[in-house]
Amino acid sequence: AQSVTQLDSHVSVSEGTPVLLRCNYSSSYSPSLFWYVQHPNKGLQLLLKYTSAATLVKGINGFEAEFKKSETSFHLTKPSAHMSDAAEYFCVVWDSGGYNKLIFGAGTRLAVHP
Amino acid sequence: DAGVIQSPRHEVTEMGQEVTLRCKPISGHDYLFWYRQTMMRGLELLIYFNNNVPIDDSGMPEDRFSAKMPNASFSTLKIQPSEPRDSAVYFCASTRGLALVNEQFFGPGTRLTVL
Repeated sequence: AQSVTQLDSHVSVSEGTPVLLRCNYSSSYSPSLFWYVQHPNKGLQLLLKYTSAATLVKGINGFEAEFKKSETSFHLTKPSAHMSDAAEYFCVVWDSGGYNKLIFGAGTRLAVHP
Repeated sequence: DAGVIQSPRHEVTEMGQEVTLRCKPISGHDYLFWYRQTMMRGLELLIYFNNNVPIDDSGMPEDRFSAKMPNASFSTLKIQPSEPRDSAVYFCASTRGLALVNEQFFGPGTRLTVL
């Protein structure tokens, strides 16, 4: 079975400093991986996705993630945090092992301080 | 497009009452998903439909929960009878195409409180 582990439940950064949200996955297949963002009282929105093309994936709002098979990681980064980035972020894997559904990580809450 | 529409946005009810949550997917999308989000369990897939047909309902917690999709533009999630542990935010999402690797578009959610 496929799974994702988000290594930090909360991350706090200052505005203008880099953001790193960590995600490790477990998969028996070549995985498809996603990052979704959820702003307060809103639904989830896709930030970016990896589907076995380029290992460095660029998403919206300046975010990017790098797929590292050797480390089974798919960490999300942004060079400079903005106040509007404060939200909850979910690392997601597509379970292709016969169940055909998205498996969500527990989420990382990002706080951005002035 | 207006995006995925859910109603009501907030629902407060008493234990034992029937609750019906509604969802209108994005026009042209052929997959529809119902999720539940709680602090304890995070985001869980309850059921999903393809072309109005339920494909996987293994996430439905128990017989008190039921979901229908009578046509391509409408789905309901019903809880009868409701219990306090059903309190959560329920999301509906839709997508187009065969692959579940496609982006899922989420509605704003329904916050359910069962007293």
